[in-house]
Amino acid sequence: AQSVTQLGSHVSVSEGALVLLRCNYSSSVPPYLFWYVQYPNQGLQLLLKYTSAATLVKGINGFEAEFKKSETSFHLTKPSAHMSDAAEYFCAVTHGQNFVFGPGTRLSVLP
Amino acid sequence: NAGVTQTPKFRVLKTGQSMTLLCAQDMNHEYMYWYRQDPGMGLRLIHYSVGEGTTAKGEVPDGYNVSRLKKQNFLLGLESAAPSQTSVYFCAAQGRMNTGELFFGEGSRLTVL
Repeated sequence: AQSVTQLGSHVSVSEGALVLLRCNYSSSVPPYLFWYVQYPNQGLQLLLKYTSAATLVKGINGFEAEFKKSETSFHLTKPSAHMSDAAEYFCAVTHGQNFVFGPGTRLSVLP
Repeated sequence: NAGVTQTPKFRVLKTGQSMTLLCAQDMNHEYMYWYRQDPGMGLRLIHYSVGEGTTAKGEVPDGYNVSRLKKQNFLLGLESAAPSQTSVYFCAAQGRMNTGELFFGEGSRLTVL
């Protein structure tokens, strides 16, 4: 069975600081990995995805993530946080039609 | 460019009442999903459909039923609502299995008293 863990249910960073949101997965087969963002009172939007091509994946709004098979990780980073990045972020793994989502990390950006 | 539309967006029910959530997509995608979102638990799959006329159970199907009579619509029904079904429900559509992006609706907030 596949599963996803996200370390830290809430992360706070200062505006302009590095954003690092952690995601670890377990999967018995090579996974496809995704990061989604959810702004208040909205549905989830795709930030980026890994589908077995380049291990460093670039997404929208300056975010990127690196797939590390040896560490079973897919951490999300952004060099410089902006106030508009405040949202909840979900990591997800899939192999087949069923996505498995992590519990989410709420990102706060402090002025 | 509507994408995925859910109705209603808010609903309050009393225990034992029934209701149906409607999801409509205009992207001609084969795969559709119903999730529920609860604090600290991420999204959990209720039911899904891989095409018109087909449905399957997800992780938490008990107390829910679904139908996909038309490709563009995926209905989620609660026959006898319970307080444990208080949640935010999201519908999603996907064009390609595995690597395809999930397109989400804006959610339906359901409260069962």
